[in-house]
Amino acid sequence: DAKTTQPPSMDCAEGRAANLPCNHSTISGNEYVYWYRQIHSQGPQYIIHGLKNNETNEMASLIITEDRKSSTLILPHATLRDTAVYYCIVRFYGGATNKLIFGTGTLLAVQP
Amino acid sequence: GAVVSQHPSWVICKSGTSVKIECRSLDFQATTMFWYRQFPKQSLMLMATSNEGSKATYEQGVEKDKFLINHASLTLSTLTVTSAHPEDSSFYICSARRGGNQPQHFGDGTRLSIL
Repeated sequence: DAKTTQPPSMDCAEGRAANLPCNHSTISGNEYVYWYRQIHSQGPQYIIHGLKNNETNEMASLIITEDRKSSTLILPHATLRDTAVYYCIVRFYGGATNKLIFGTGTLLAVQP
Repeated sequence: GAVVSQHPSWVICKSGTSVKIECRSLDFQATTMFWYRQFPKQSLMLMATSNEGSKATYEQGVEKDKFLINHASLTLSTLTVTSAHPEDSSFYICSARRGGNQPQHFGDGTRLSIL
């Protein structure tokens, strides 16, 4: 799986949009970008995933650059409950290596 | 949808005992289940991948005789930590996936403390 690079930590004011970047410059054409978050002492929570088109769901938006070498997760109106570690993971679709490998993620701290 | 239940959520036991952790997909059939371990202030580390009805595939450095995984049905996988010792104390998390490019969904984890 392609490696990802994320900033170790970010702050965001409550009510503002949180934009979390992820670099995956070695991504291949059949690898998806997945985002998960982990709130302290809980299991990771799936947020969103995409291949090359931008995606939006009730939780967030995922913006993938045209060359697919980076992406941004956007939480449109961050709340205190969004404080968590956010993981950007690139995963190959299909085959024996179809598994999620977690990096160190970004600790997002939403400030009141 | 896509709820994964893990039991127990917390277990404390004496050194040398074996501990079984259950992972169930409640509202979907999971062709593949995964077991992770997480130490304090660290990221999740994949231990093994299991497909229903077949032997688990363990990641490098994970002792298969120490961490027994059974995936007997499309909704249940178990992890047994055999002859547990204090260094096995950790946060164990399972996840399940329907198949293909579907996302993995995670349980809430089991905090294991070996005295």
